[in-house]
Amino acid sequence: KQEVTQIPAALSVPEGENLVLNCSFTDSAIYNLQWFRQDPGKGLTSLLLIQSSQREQTSGRLNASLDKSSGRSTLYIAASQPGDSATYLCAVLTMDSNYQLIWGAGTKLIIKP
Amino acid sequence: DAGITQSPRHKVTETGTPVTLRCHQTENHRYMYWYRQDPGHGLRLIHYSYGVKDTDKGEVSDGYSVSRSKTEDFLLTLESATSSQTSVYFCAISEGDQPQHFGDGTRLSIL
Repeated sequence: KQEVTQIPAALSVPEGENLVLNCSFTDSAIYNLQWFRQDPGKGLTSLLLIQSSQREQTSGRLNASLDKSSGRSTLYIAASQPGDSATYLCAVLTMDSNYQLIWGAGTKLIIKP
Repeated sequence: DAGITQSPRHKVTETGTPVTLRCHQTENHRYMYWYRQDPGHGLRLIHYSYGVKDTDKGEVSDGYSVSRSKTEDFLLTLESATSSQTSVYFCAISEGDQPQHFGDGTRLSIL
């Protein structure tokens, strides 16, 4: 059974720092891995989707990598800003799931001004 | 933003009453999902639909039923609400292996 783990559960850093969020999964038979952001009291917003054949995806200051063989993904945020404060979740779409996502518990990120 | 509307946004009701939550989409996406989100548990899938009248159970389906009579609407029903069903409920839509897009959620309190 696929399991997704995100470490750390919470992270607080000063504004301007580059930072890395981690996501690991136990079964490499995936269609893709997706990163989402959730602001307090809001729904989730899709940030990046990496197909299983890809190694990374970039959007602005965000870069997500995927190492399927080791079951790991990282979300790199460059030059962090207070507006980046949110909970970041990763999820994998596994090949036996009929397009159901398997979710990590999230990393709560606080960027201090 | 993807056209997803959840209603109601907030509801307070009593134990034992029936509750129906509605998810409406304007994107014509095939897949629709209902999740609940609770502290300490993250997002958990309740039910999902892969087409009109085609639905299946998720991880935490006990006590919930769903219906999808039209592409654009996916209803979640709590037949007899219990306090353990107090939660924030999210609807999401997708086209197969494409990103899921989420509604703003319904905050449900069962007293």
